[in-house]
Amino acid sequence: QQQVKQSPQSLIVQKGGISIINCAYENTAFDYFPWYQQFPGKGPALLIAIRPDVSEKKEGRFTISFNKSAKQFSLHIMDSQPGDSATYFCAASSRGGSEKLVFGKGMKLTVNP
Amino acid sequence: GAGVSQTPSNKVTEKGKYVELRCDPISGHTALYWYRQSLGQGPEFLIYFQGTGAADDSGLPNDRFFAVRPEGSVSTLKIQRTERGDSAVYLCASSLTGYDGYTFGSGTRLTVV
Repeated sequence: QQQVKQSPQSLIVQKGGISIINCAYENTAFDYFPWYQQFPGKGPALLIAIRPDVSEKKEGRFTISFNKSAKQFSLHIMDSQPGDSATYFCAASSRGGSEKLVFGKGMKLTVNP
Repeated sequence: GAGVSQTPSNKVTEKGKYVELRCDPISGHTALYWYRQSLGQGPEFLIYFQGTGAADDSGLPNDRFFAVRPEGSVSTLKIQRTERGDSAVYLCASSLTGYDGYTFGSGTRLTVV
């Protein structure tokens, strides 16, 4: 059973466009929802994260929207740039244990110049 | 060091051999995690250390896999009797608390031939 489902699997946008990645989770005990960015040959890097006490968090061009009742969260990348081309993973964890992250399968983003 | 260091970056071994993968976390980070990432997938949790002890090893796939962190800093992931299915990128991450996000290393790409 996949606990965190991510969609779409890939996305191509033009420079300056908006990229949107969606995630849905099963476990209501999850209370930490980060997004990671991964370039080829590198480990994932934390991009932005949200906790369920807020519905939205913005950092620069990146915004997380969180819907607790629907058990969904999404990443919006505004003014997408070719340098944003990477694989993006949503993840979730719950406090009180090992805080191990459960990752989605990832979405490959290509931003065309 | 400034980041999480993993060595070697690449390892090719023959089926049935024993391998050791090393992780040097960020200085002062007490939490250390090992994940495994197969091609086209998100990272999957293997084991979590808090200090010297393995606080959660529920992700280790079988008893061929073992990890240690004897002095609470460097960790070694050990795989006995390697199988072709063990081929993947093994990622190490460290954190002050775990709950505030991890810093991943670039991983060790293990290929079993």
